Amino acid sequence: GESVGLHLPTLSVQEGDNSIINCAYSNSASDYFIWYKQESGKGPQFIIDIRSNMDKRQGQRVTVLLNKTVKHLSLQIAATQPGDSAVYFCAENQAETSGSRLTFGEGTQLTVNP
Amino acid sequence: GAVVSQHPSRVICKSGTSVKIECRSLDFQATTMFWYRQFPKQSLMLMATSNEGSKATYEQGVEKDKFLINHASLTLSTLTVTSAHPEDSSFYICSARRTVNEKLFFGSGTQLSVL
Repeated sequence: GESVGLHLPTLSVQEGDNSIINCAYSNSASDYFIWYKQESGKGPQFIIDIRSNMDKRQGQRVTVLLNKTVKHLSLQIAATQPGDSAVYFCAENQAETSGSRLTFGEGTQLTVNP
Repeated sequence: GAVVSQHPSRVICKSGTSVKIECRSLDFQATTMFWYRQFPKQSLMLMATSNEGSKATYEQGVEKDKFLINHASLTLSTLTVTSAHPEDSSFYICSARRTVNEKLFFGSGTQLSVL
């Protein structure tokens, strides 16, 4: 759903550690999920996606896990680097007969300390 | 990946004036474009869905007469903020996709500041 909060959840990690960012989604009918990275003053950048018929998908240094039972999505970043510092959003695609629309979660501010 | 160009990246205007933001898909034809608004420290909020050649579909609470959307071609959608006021100051982001089952590509955003 839409975010109404004034403060982003934050996660602070040391360079080289693994990061796990969590997201709860709202619609059990959503069939497609995406993680985006947004740096300050820029548009969202696609990281990885997963369809509802899967529960895990791996990319380069990133893994997305989907738990449909509890409507939970997570993004794991291995060997986190300072360049990974950004706000991370999960998004759910709500398929409709007239097309589909993407709804963003509230976001998490990831800070990587050198 | 596909490229979506958004222009201008930043605009400052006086209260009461109108501002037009352009969103172009540079290397693909976008049947659908979306417009989002983002306030500081908040998530992206979908404003409207724009299909080429038809009227935009606005989300609940978004004034269609205030935020005019035109999607006259498969590579261009425009958002016009009419009679802008300071509360319209925000980061506006467009996105585009070729077909329903393809991923979205985002523009770089437009920071609107209304004085």
